[in-house]
Amino acid sequence: DAGVIQSPRHEVTEMGQEVTLRCKPISGHNSLFWYRQTMMRGLELLIYFNNNVPIDDSGMPEDRFSAKMPNASFSTLKIQPSEPRDSAVYFCASSFAGELFFGEGSRLTVL
Amino acid sequence: AQSVTQLDSQVPVFEEAPVELRCNYSSSVSVYLFWYVQYPNQGLQLLLKYLSGSTLVKGINGFEAEFNKSQTSFHLRKPSVHISDTAEYFCAVNDGGATNKLIFGTGTLLAVQP
Repeated sequence: DAGVIQSPRHEVTEMGQEVTLRCKPISGHNSLFWYRQTMMRGLELLIYFNNNVPIDDSGMPEDRFSAKMPNASFSTLKIQPSEPRDSAVYFCASSFAGELFFGEGSRLTVL
Repeated sequence: AQSVTQLDSQVPVFEEAPVELRCNYSSSVSVYLFWYVQYPNQGLQLLLKYLSGSTLVKGINGFEAEFNKSQTSFHLRKPSVHISDTAEYFCAVNDGGATNKLIFGTGTLLAVQP
């Protein structure tokens, strides 16, 4: 298996632009997680899905952030409009039997 | 609510020396505990996990951890470190499988010096 696949690996954009991050989980995993990592805050859980249904989005910072999982093999995290403080590495992870498998991350820089 | 505390933000150590990275957790329910490692510019990779059974858990790359319920700890140890062990190490807890939600500590940077 190729593991969790995230795209893009790097994104540089200007403040106010829309950003869409993509994730393909490992086939057969029924849970998907979006985390954000920064030096100041460490690893923060933004949202997670079970069987494509959002279960807990309490970590989503504000309404500018939204996440979808239209099917078992694809999820998106969207930021609209983006702000410089959104600059971070965003990780997607999928889960099987309590163990999380992480993607390589998407490094977002908002200028 | 569950939480994880990693008291040491950075642990410098010389090559071939032993190391212990500390992790304490709080939870009102039974827990599953994990250690993940993150190498520069990479995602997190599972080192080891405690779900049940023996309190001493062995993982990859020669690491081991011991679950201590009375002290609510899950410290990570390695008897002899290598330069290649330099990385960020994260302790994590979930609610014993009731959900798949993992809460991570703030991480400990293990800096191995020659």
